[in-house]
Amino acid sequence: QVQLVQSGAEVKKPGASVKVSCKASGYTFTTYFMHWVRQAPGQRLEWVGLINPYDGSTTYAQKFQGRVIMTRDTSTGTAYMELNSLTSEDTAVYYCARRFGPGPATLGWFDPWGQGTRVTVSS
Amino acid sequence: DIVLTQSPVTLSLSAGERATLSCRASQSVQSNFLAWYQEKPGQAPRLLIYGAASRATGIPERFSGSGSGTDFTLTITRLEPEDFAVYYCQQYGNSPLTFGQGSKVEIK
Repeated sequence: QVQLVQSGAEVKKPGASVKVSCKASGYTFTTYFMHWVRQAPGQRLEWVGLINPYDGSTTYAQKFQGRVIMTRDTSTGTAYMELNSLTSEDTAVYYCARRFGPGPATLGWFDPWGQGTRVTVSS
Repeated sequence: DIVLTQSPVTLSLSAGERATLSCRASQSVQSNFLAWYQEKPGQAPRLLIYGAASRATGIPERFSGSGSGTDFTLTITRLEPEDFAVYYCQQYGNSPLTFGQGSKVEIK
């Protein structure tokens, strides 16, 4: 079945970087855009950005521009999200999600989602 | 950005009862591009509804979506024990896509 499996929880110090992986299975990895969404404690879900696994092109939310890098490895069907210069406000659960829908790649609904990766930023 | 406001924040019901969840947008959602998800603790969010009213593959018929413009509704006709969870709406008609703050359906 279609599945996204993410890497495990991370604890980082302020100023550090974190790299989260998302391994896809059950479908052709390069066929669907992959998005990343996060949820900080007590906050609503927030869109981070997307990668086109076919050609590696990316689009990031303005809030994360210059601080996030999304990549992929087509040989293993894995997408990655790296977030730099972490602060306590980056403490959140990060999800990858496969995109569906018409229109631009930045819009659409998501199915399935990864199980989430908890990133804690604390000194 | 479109702000989605869900109500109620918490709904206390018993199994077998009907749940009605609301999602109101700060401006009209283009083409009624609205989705609903279910989230349980420790699990990935699960797509229920897209296009405001289309059930996703494998979703039971007791889940239905309706609405247009700025007002959308998720209805669960008869709650099963596994339906007690948090539900989120998401609009994808206007950039950037945005989510509601969630509605929790808890056991009364």
